[in-house]
Amino acid sequence: GAGVSQSPRYKVTKRGQDVALRCDPISGHVSLYWYRQALGQGPEFLTYFNYEAQQDKSGLPNDRFSAERPEGSISTLTIQRTEQRDSAMYRCASSPTAGVGDGGYTFGSGTRLTVV
Amino acid sequence: GQNIDQPTEMTATEGAIVQINCTYQTSGFNGLFWYQQHAGEAPTFLSYNVLDGLEEKGRFSSFLSRSKGYSYLLLKELQMKDSASYLCAVGGGYQKVTFGTGTKLQVIP
Repeated sequence: GAGVSQSPRYKVTKRGQDVALRCDPISGHVSLYWYRQALGQGPEFLTYFNYEAQQDKSGLPNDRFSAERPEGSISTLTIQRTEQRDSAMYRCASSPTAGVGDGGYTFGSGTRLTVV
Repeated sequence: GQNIDQPTEMTATEGAIVQINCTYQTSGFNGLFWYQQHAGEAPTFLSYNVLDGLEEKGRFSSFLSRSKGYSYLLLKELQMKDSASYLCAVGGGYQKVTFGTGTKLQVIP
């Protein structure tokens, strides 16, 4: 697609429920990243993929968080047994290169997750 | 790991020049990025520096000194639409980019 698309834009869920956040990167982009951004803060790294391979998941807060990109395109970030502290903006970004390139990332509009 | 420090807020006058500083400590270095983020929107890429010196791109310039762990973003001829947060980000490992907390710039008439 023309940009990075994320769905849903807003998600309100009850504590304890599982949620799945979807990211559709720019067509042909090799790398895909997940970040979490609290209000007034910079994005916090969660994980990234090159094609379908998860290269680094060191930023995932705990084992309730997981991500996959099975065919090297669309990615899903899953949060199990959600807690109120998981409430944040979840942003996906993609890059055409497999390394830190000089063109930066293109971010999607994000999914605003609210756990009540 | 990485530690990135930038001022929380700045105010500048329309038409003026403003410099936003960023200092960093990193265990590896693969470039320094600046992003602009308007309220309620996604960050957008502004600039990338991997070698020391100044990179100019229209009204925006970015400077890097690797030995000092220092960068700045220079905005000239400020416009009201430049009111936004400016995020300094460092590429540490192969692909992992760590963002600072951002500098909220307010441009006043």
